[in-house]
Amino acid sequence: QVQLQESGPGLVKPPETLSLTCTVSGGSISSHYWSWIRQPPGKGLEWIGYIYYSGITNYNPSLKSRVTMSVDTSKNQFSLRLTSVTAADTAVYYCARDTAAAGFAWGVWGRGTTVTVSS
Amino acid sequence: QSVLTQPPSVSAAPGQKVTISCSGSSSNIGNNYVSWYQHLPGTAPKLLIYDNNRRPSGIPDRFSGSKSGTSATLGITGLQTGDEADYYCGTWDSSLSPGQVFGGGTKLTVL
Repeated sequence: QVQLQESGPGLVKPPETLSLTCTVSGGSISSHYWSWIRQPPGKGLEWIGYIYYSGITNYNPSLKSRVTMSVDTSKNQFSLRLTSVTAADTAVYYCARDTAAAGFAWGVWGRGTTVTVSS
Repeated sequence: QSVLTQPPSVSAAPGQKVTISCSGSSSNIGNNYVSWYQHLPGTAPKLLIYDNNRRPSGIPDRFSGSKSGTSATLGITGLQTGDEADYYCGTWDSSLSPGQVFGGGTKLTVL
């Protein structure tokens, strides 16, 4: 059974860069889309972007100028970099894997990691 | 302000049925597949419905999804106290700024 685990600093100072890694266990990172999704305190889910195992990316237009995603197939990991963070980037960050579907749907999720942006 | 509109809250008694609506437009729901997620605080969101009305393995048939035009609906029958959670709809938006979008979420209270 595939499991995802987010890791990274829980506290980031503005305007530094937020960096998170998602480690995939119990399955291969190949042949899937991998996504980052966040939930700010008291708010709903926000899609940050996805990366295909081949490295193809697609980002949320509202975050596109600050987001970079990468994949390391040798380590079965994919990563998120979000530059110039502000307090508005404080959120629980989830990594997720697509499910076999005609449309995009995220069938496997990590438990999430809380990132606080504060000086 | 979410691209997809959901009611902030719904409630019903145990054993009853509830529906949660998700309203969008032709650039999202109207021309793309809808998925639904259940989110309990402190846990990972769970996929309940994908491709408008399909259930992943392990999701009971108490949960159902439908889509008509630019709106989608999640139905839950035989409500249980364990169903109390936040529910989100999601789809792709094919507008000038394409990307995955979610509704604002609906808090389900099982009275």
